[in-house]
Amino acid sequence: GQQLNQSPQSMFIQEGEDVSMNCTSSSIFNTWLWYKQDPGEGPVLLIALYKAGELTSNGRLTAQFGITRKDSFLNISASIPSDVGIYFCAGPPILQGAQKLVFGQGTRLTINP
Amino acid sequence: NAGVTQTPKFQVLKTGQSMTLQCAQDMNHNSMYWYRQDPGMGLRLIYYSASEGTTDKGEVPNGYNVSRLNKREFSLRLESAAPSQTSVYFCASRVEASYEQYFGPGTRLTVT
Repeated sequence: GQQLNQSPQSMFIQEGEDVSMNCTSSSIFNTWLWYKQDPGEGPVLLIALYKAGELTSNGRLTAQFGITRKDSFLNISASIPSDVGIYFCAGPPILQGAQKLVFGQGTRLTINP
Repeated sequence: NAGVTQTPKFQVLKTGQSMTLQCAQDMNHNSMYWYRQDPGMGLRLIYYSASEGTTDKGEVPNGYNVSRLNKREFSLRLESAAPSQTSVYFCASRVEASYEQYFGPGTRLTVT
């Protein structure tokens, strides 16, 4: 089935550092969603992107919808301990319809205090 | 608003036993979903329901059945559990006219 590739798979950073991660697909998406999952919890929606080139912020988080419509990026500025978790990208492949999302494998973020 | 709720939170089954995972949402959403999450695999869709009275298979439906009991509730049943069904199961519902899905806290299932 459709795959989304997230990079990197894991990150180990110092508190206060900025973080960048990305998500790529072999097919076009018309929406990109970014979720965060805390340990033992369900994914929580952080940011939704609806238009190619769109740049959207949510506090220290900024996400971009790639111009090619095959990728998306998430940046976290000045990381803090509560940013620890797994970040997933997701979207509905354009040929698959609105009912289903495909998810990336996740980027696991670990922060050293 | 509780959002999406799931019960139980944890469950241990022996091979061959059956059980039903319960999910309810109070956001008046039409569409609901069941996913499983395994290490390194992301979230994979088991079944979904576009509206009350309809269900459709997702990517990994084998070994599962679902029931959309009413608009609020969508249950997932394992008729004869297998060790390969050890996973974390998430229920989600979708905002109307949007792709955004909201998730429950998950059920952690171990099959021995």
